[in-house]
Amino acid sequence: SQELEQSPQSLIVQEGKNLTINCTSSKTLYGLYWYKQKYGEGLIFLMMLQKGGEEKSHEKITAKLDEKKQQSSLHITASQPSHAGIYLCGARRNAGNMLTFGGGTRLMVKP
Amino acid sequence: GAVVSQHPSWVICKSGTSVKIECRSLDFQATTMFWYRQFPKQSLMLMATSNEGSKATYEQGVEKDKFLINHASLTLSTLTVTSAHPEDSSFYICSASGGSGNEKLFFGSGTQLSVL
Repeated sequence: SQELEQSPQSLIVQEGKNLTINCTSSKTLYGLYWYKQKYGEGLIFLMMLQKGGEEKSHEKITAKLDEKKQQSSLHITASQPSHAGIYLCGARRNAGNMLTFGGGTRLMVKP
Repeated sequence: GAVVSQHPSWVICKSGTSVKIECRSLDFQATTMFWYRQFPKQSLMLMATSNEGSKATYEQGVEKDKFLINHASLTLSTLTVTSAHPEDSSFYICSASGGSGNEKLFFGSGTQLSVL
C-alpha cells in the first residue's frame, strides 16, 4: 500500500496562479523531502523539513510540515512555466537515509 | 553543493545481455547509496540499499541475482542488470548520502534502460 499519499496527481494552472500540493503520511515522519523531477531526469532537491510546524521558503516555493509531522504542503506562488515538472515528496521514517516516495504530482503551467 | 554522477544516462541493449550502471559521489564520501526504479508515470520505488564494503540490502520482490549491486568504495556504487529482458526496461536512479551532519539526499541524473 502507498505509505505516502500525494495530491493532486496532476495539476494544470495558468501562469501567475498560486497552487498547493499535499503529501500525507499515515505515520509520523522523521523527515520530509520535496524534490522536483523532469521526466526521465534526475531529482532536484527543493527542501527538507524535520521539525513539527516547520516552514521553509526558497524563491516562490514554500513548504510546510504540520505539528504532528504527518502532513506537508508545497505552495508555489505566482507560478511560471519553469515550475512545470513532477513534484515528489519523500518520507524518511527513521535516522536511516532511505526515502519512500509519494506518487508524484505532475504540474503543467500554461503561459 | 554535493553532486552525484550517474552513468550512462541512456542505454539500449539486446535481451540477454548485462548492463552496468555507475553511481558516483563527486565531492563527498557516500557510505550509503540507494538504488531506485521508476516506471513511466509512476513514482520511484526503492530497489536496494548499498553499503560500502558490505552486501546490499534488497527490498522485497527485487531479485538479488538479477540486480547485482557493488559498493566497493566510498564514492562508487554499481548496479548491474544481468540477463536483461524487455520487462527490465525502466528508469533507474541512485541517491547517496554522506558527509558529517548532512541530512540531504542527492540523486543522480538517472539511467534510462531500454531492452530490445
